[in-house]
Parts: sequence; C-alpha cells; structure tokens
Amino acid sequence: DAGVTQSPTHLIKTRGQHVTLRCSPISGHKSVSWYQQVLGQGPQFIFQYYEKEERGRGNFPDRFSARQFPNYSSELNVNALLLGDSALYLCASSLVGGDSNQPQHFGDGTRLSIL
Amino acid sequence: LAKTTQPISMDSYEGQEVNITCSHNNIATNDYITWYQQFPSQGPRFIIQGYKTKVTNEVASLFIPADRKSSTLSLPRVSLSDTAVYYCLVGGSGNTPLVFGKGTRLSVIA
Repeated sequence: DAGVTQSPTHLIKTRGQHVTLRCSPISGHKSVSWYQQVLGQGPQFIFQYYEKEERGRGNFPDRFSARQFPNYSSELNVNALLLGDSALYLCASSLVGGDSNQPQHFGDGTRLSIL
Repeated sequence: LAKTTQPISMDSYEGQEVNITCSHNNIATNDYITWYQQFPSQGPRFIIQGYKTKVTNEVASLFIPADRKSSTLSLPRVSLSDTAVYYCLVGGSGNTPLVFGKGTRLSVIA
C-alpha cells in the first residue's frame, strides 16, 4: 500500500508569494494533519482535518489555511510568505474510528525555501 | 496534552542495546505512548505504541511501568542506520494533534 504522499517535494518561493502544498493520505485514512518543522526542532502542529471539517488548529497566523477534499486528500495554503516560513511541511494521516488510538503516519514532506 | 522529557542526545556502538527513557508525569488516563523515528529530510516514522506494561514488535520494545509516568524505548543491537532522532509523545491519538518535543538524537558509532 502507498504511504502518505506529498507534493511537491521541494519548492522555492520569494517573500510575499503564496504557496499550495498537497497531501494524499493512506488509502482508507480519513484524518489529515499538517505540521511545520524548522531545522533542529520537532514538528509543530498546524491543522487537523477529519471528514472534511477542521478539527484542530495550532498557533499559526491566518496566512495559513487548509482544506480537505471528498477523497480525503488535503491542501495547505500559505499566503504572504515570510522568510520564517522556510521549513519542512509534513502531512500525516490516520485511520480514525471509535475509541481506537490509531497512530499518525507521516509523508516525507515538502521542503519550502523562501528567498 | 502531557509534556514529555527525554535526553537531548545519546551515543552507542553498533551491536549494543539502546534504551531511551522518556518522562511524562502528567499523562492522562486515556493517553497512549507513541515513539517516532526521524531521519534527516524525512517525515517521522511510527515505531511503536503502548498503553501499559510491555509492547514488542519487529523493531523495538516499549516498557511502561505501572504508574505510566515514564516509558523506555529499547532498540536491540543497533546499527549505523539507526542513527536518527527519536521522539516520545503521549496522547495524540488519531483524533488529536501530536505535540513534539526536541526528541533524542541517537548517534550509532562503528
């Protein structure tokens, strides 16, 4: 089975531009989460979506937005890019159902560099 | 979400068993304990998850004492390819976001 896939793998943008990152979850997974990981730090939670609804939001500005599609894939959008947005953006999916504690499975991320 | 504390770094020789201990004094009754491994420029990879006592899979064992205020990830006979950052997290089931700390940087030496 394919794991979580993210595109593009690398991206270079300039300050002020916007960017769209894409994520396809593992087949059958209905929950998708986005994380930002800057160099030397652990991933930081940005958003979680489940059944196309936002279920959680981390401490990120409104320039960050996301959505989940009927096929459970997801997009992360970032507007008015700043130098500090340079990071590895990770998507994770999980099989959510009942009281199960299903772990999240990560893609290998999109490396975003802002010039 | 419960906060975790783990060593910043550890060194080990190839072939040795490595034990990484994580403290989580404020773990909630419903929280599970999950460990991830991350290589540079890759996403975290799920290693093992447990609730109490001992869990073992093909790559690691997880020991959890009765009070659940700590846990130990055990990697048997490490190799150079086990050099990575290891994260301990509590809570974070499929419905809740994961809260990562800085992890433990394990360096395996030949």
